[in-house]
Amino acid sequence: DADVTQTPRNRITKTGKRIMLECSQTKGHDRMYWYRQDPGLGLQLIYYSFDVKDINKGEISDGYSVSRQAQAKFSLSLESAIPNQTALYFCATSDYGDTQYFGPGTRLTVL
Amino acid sequence: RKEVEQDPGPFNVPEGATVAFNCTYSNSASQSFFWYRQDCRKEPKLLMSVYSSGNEDGRFTAQLNRASQYISLLIRDSKLSDSATYLCVVNMAPRNQGGKLIFGQGTELSVKP
Repeated sequence: DADVTQTPRNRITKTGKRIMLECSQTKGHDRMYWYRQDPGLGLQLIYYSFDVKDINKGEISDGYSVSRQAQAKFSLSLESAIPNQTALYFCATSDYGDTQYFGPGTRLTVL
Repeated sequence: RKEVEQDPGPFNVPEGATVAFNCTYSNSASQSFFWYRQDCRKEPKLLMSVYSSGNEDGRFTAQLNRASQYISLLIRDSKLSDSATYLCVVNMAPRNQGGKLIFGQGTELSVKP
């Protein structure tokens, strides 16, 4: 079984809808991250969390919110989706080292 | 200037070729450096860390030049299975501050028979 899982894997939605992307991990890591990837661009950090009580904004947090429900779960919400949020979204985890382990990604399309 | 900048691709090479990827970073205080590999539509995976002394893993050699703020990845005897996008990644924060990784835009490699 995969150590980092994301649901859904693909989602098509309409402008203005609320969307939640979920991430779960079995690696026992405290640190979790949400990134988005657009064609031709590097991954951009949206939010990150060092433990259940810690949430931090990344480079591009506007239009997004997160919830760290447990050590193993970190959800990303788009309160009112817009077309330029169409992207590939990755969740990642790490321990106290630098290496990050990524989930398989969620492909989101906002029409 | 982008914080992490890579060679624009794609690189199209025949099997057995040697190929080199270059990357520059803007923040001289950067702490650690990596190359990740990303296959089409899949998640990035760590290929190797990059150390000041240079390091090698089989056909892959990574080098770091802190003075020039430059990182490289050399792939020798390239295989069809090496076809992927290679991401240069720099950690801008100390480890105890959580590893703020900055990703380059990636360089695509296509190895042809």
